[in-house]
Amino acid sequence: GENVEQHPSTLSVQEGDSAVIKCTYSDSASNYFPWYKQELGKRPQLIIDIRSNVGEKKDQRIAVTLNKTAKHFSLHITETQPEDSAVYFCASFKAAGNKLTFGGGTRVLVKP
Amino acid sequence: EPEVTQTPSHQVTQMGQEVILRCVPISNHLYFYWYRQILGQKVEFLVSFYNNEISEKSEIFDDQFSVERPDGSNFTLKIRSTKLEDSAMYFCASSAGLPNTEAFFGQGTRLTVV
Repeated sequence: GENVEQHPSTLSVQEGDSAVIKCTYSDSASNYFPWYKQELGKRPQLIIDIRSNVGEKKDQRIAVTLNKTAKHFSLHITETQPEDSAVYFCASFKAAGNKLTFGGGTRVLVKP
Repeated sequence: EPEVTQTPSHQVTQMGQEVILRCVPISNHLYFYWYRQILGQKVEFLVSFYNNEISEKSEIFDDQFSVERPDGSNFTLKIRSTKLEDSAMYFCASSAGLPNTEAFFGQGTRLTVV
């Protein structure tokens, strides 16, 4: 089955700096890659996603890149703010089986 | 904005008891999921459900687990005989289906088995 690896597990950055989280997946049939932000005690919420026919997508301070050949995708947060502090999960989706597989999560701490 | 709702928000049960966790997916969604998150750990896939049948299930989803869509609006997860290690946050999610594969999560049910 699909395996999603996520690094780093924790990330501490100074406010205003950039944060980068990297994920790899194993199943070449996966075709949709969302990123979720989870604040303490709350549900995961989608922040950005990318489909397999696109290499990069940007939404304000957040961008995601996808390298299908290498089966890598990354989340980039620029100009980090304290409210960006949360756990971020990458995920990969395979249409067959309708299965969304999550990475292990990255705890991001933005220090003021 | 439509959202996935789950009840109860917190359930405490004795080991060996049956529990039913309830979810109301977004009304026009066709795909339904249950996920589990043990405190401080990753979100783990349990099962996906489409067209009144299970599409895929993980190794966690053993014979003690079952899902049902009893009335066209609710989507339930039943654990027949709970174990201590079933204690976790259980999230229901739904999606509209291709091409809109975004999964929307409910607020979760915290299950505590004592």
